[in-house]
Amino acid sequence: GAGVSQTPSNKVTEKGKYVELRCDPISGHTALYWYRQSLGQGPEFLIYFQGTGAADDSGLPNDRFFAVRPEGSVSTLKIQRTERGDSAVYLCASSLSGAGRDEQYFGPGTRLTVT
Amino acid sequence: GEDVEQSLFLSVREGDSSVINCTYTDSSSTYLYWYKQEPGAGLQLLTYIFSNMDMKQDQRLTVLLNKKDKHLSLRIADTQTGDSAIYFCAEIDYGGATNKLIFGTGTLLAVQP
Repeated sequence: GAGVSQTPSNKVTEKGKYVELRCDPISGHTALYWYRQSLGQGPEFLIYFQGTGAADDSGLPNDRFFAVRPEGSVSTLKIQRTERGDSAVYLCASSLSGAGRDEQYFGPGTRLTVT
Repeated sequence: GEDVEQSLFLSVREGDSSVINCTYTDSSSTYLYWYKQEPGAGLQLLTYIFSNMDMKQDQRLTVLLNKKDKHLSLRIADTQTGDSAIYFCAEIDYGGATNKLIFGTGTLLAVQP
């Protein structure tokens, strides 16, 4: 079956621009996570959705970052006024219910480069 | 806060065993994980261990957990060139309603033919 997909796979943007990154989770998975992986680091948690609601956005670095999941399926991570420090690979993961025992399945990521 | 640490690099010869080590800080973690990341690919869950276990074996993979020292290791037997990748250990942070993963910095495993 289909796994988690993310689009685009690569995004290059100029400093100050707005970007949207899309995640299509595995069908039927109610839990969706966004992580950010900077060069040479492990992924860091950004935000967690349970259904349509953002249950935990404690990892978002500042108010330039926002994410939505309006129908409880596809999610979009939005970054306003991008800065060079936002350059990273943005990873999306989904799990069946969000329980600790549920495996989080990761997408291939979107590599964002801010010039 | 939680912190997961790993050594950065390991080089082994094909056919040898590899041992990748990790230390974590959150003693309440129920599950501990090992993920593999190959260039251009997503994170792949290799194996996990429940905190009430000391050891778990899965084919070529053996996970050892020392809860007292908060030390986790992954042993890969008969390492192959296809095992070359970055390996991340991760723990679950049960803060609030979120089961978010806390990852280490990753260990780059280079397998020499």
